Amino acid sequence: GQSLEQPSEVTAVEGAIVQINCTYQTSGFYGLSWYQQHDGGAPTFLSYNGLDGLEETGRFSSFLSRSDSYGYLLLQELQMKDSASYFCAVRDWAGTASKLTFGTGTRLQVTL
Amino acid sequence: DGGITQSPKYLFRKEGQNVTLSCEQNLNHDAMYWYRQDPGQGLRLIYYSQIVNDFQKGDIAEGYSVSREKKESFPLTVTSAQKNPTAFYLCASSIGPSTGELFFGEGSRLTVL
Repeated sequence: GQSLEQPSEVTAVEGAIVQINCTYQTSGFYGLSWYQQHDGGAPTFLSYNGLDGLEETGRFSSFLSRSDSYGYLLLQELQMKDSASYFCAVRDWAGTASKLTFGTGTRLQVTL
Repeated sequence: DGGITQSPKYLFRKEGQNVTLSCEQNLNHDAMYWYRQDPGQGLRLIYYSQIVNDFQKGDIAEGYSVSREKKESFPLTVTSAQKNPTAFYLCASSIGPSTGELFFGEGSRLTVL
């Protein structure tokens, strides 16, 4: 089966940088995604890493190391609106079917 | 505007009743998914479908059933066999089975009384 580990909570100050780590165990690994979810809302897609390295999208960056089964999400210039839960998710293949399995999420609290 | 529509948004049911949650998408996506989320928890995969007339069980399929008769529709039935059905249910779709980007509906919140 699959397993993903990420910290349960992170607190950071407005304007700072925060890194949320994710380690995973899975067979048939295809890629790692990151999602943001505000309380009461649906998850929204942030980024996807299919290959090793860094992907940058505005204030958010995501990194993947397939050899280490590890990735992270980097949020820069934190804003109050970034307070939310962040989930890593692995895309993997089981036979002929592919699915996306989510971690348990990291709750980010941005303070003044 | 293209998107995913889930209904109803809120649903109450008595124990022992089956209930069907609707999920419709007009994004022309091939793959569709159902997830369950409990308070303070991550998303757990119930069922997924990569093409019409085909679907696979996810990690917590017991007590649930689905159908995929049309590309646009992927309804989920929560049966009376599901022992703890109160949860937030999320439907999602993706262009294909290889992408890491899912598009989510706004969710359906089911409460069993």
